Amino acid sequence: AQKVTQAQTEISVVEKEDVTLDCVYETRDTTYYLFWYKQPPSGELVFLIRRNSFDEQNEISGRYSWNFQKSTSSFNFTITASQVVDSAVYFCALSEGDSWGKLQFGAGTQVVVTP
Amino acid sequence: DAEITQSPRHKITETGRQVTLACHQTWNHNNMFWYRQDLGHGLRLIHYSYGVQDTNKGEVSDGYSVSRSNTEDLPLTLESAASSQTSVYFCASSDSARGTYEQYFGPGTRLTVT
Repeated sequence: AQKVTQAQTEISVVEKEDVTLDCVYETRDTTYYLFWYKQPPSGELVFLIRRNSFDEQNEISGRYSWNFQKSTSSFNFTITASQVVDSAVYFCALSEGDSWGKLQFGAGTQVVVTP
Repeated sequence: DAEITQSPRHKITETGRQVTLACHQTWNHNNMFWYRQDLGHGLRLIHYSYGVQDTNKGEVSDGYSVSRSNTEDLPLTLESAASSQTSVYFCASSDSARGTYEQYFGPGTRLTVT
């Protein structure tokens, strides 16, 4: 069963618009980690952020912010004032407490930012 | 700087041939992973290792094998390549000692089986 769901297949925005990527996860563990990765057109996978299940504090890092809500099992990611360089596929991933570091990825959301 | 490398970056092989994809990391990480990426499936775990001499099957392990003889390397072998194994393969590593589990990925190997 899919444990990480990214319902948005593709999002298109115009530069400087904000874009929010949705991620819904499923786990019975009380200890787990959530991640966001970026895959630009060049193909490499770049680690962006990590949250653990004990820390629901939402944070902002530059133009990136994330909203972690355990009550709805969601871990959404927002890019503020998008730029063309943000065009990429973004993956949400889950690591559960009993799987010791294995990541389960969502299918990814393609973000297209046009000038 | 520490890094994780994969070779070859591109490979074309014929059905039935044995193929080995190399993965080498200089992070000194205990954990290493192999994924395949196919359109619409995201990344799926093939095999993983938590240390030297340790190997485990992932979600899509049929037709693949790995061995871990040292900390730095986790080669992935396709025993008898099939067209269904045409994919992009990513190797990754993580540091379990820090308990944070984010994985760092290699640049990927694009494998075509004809």
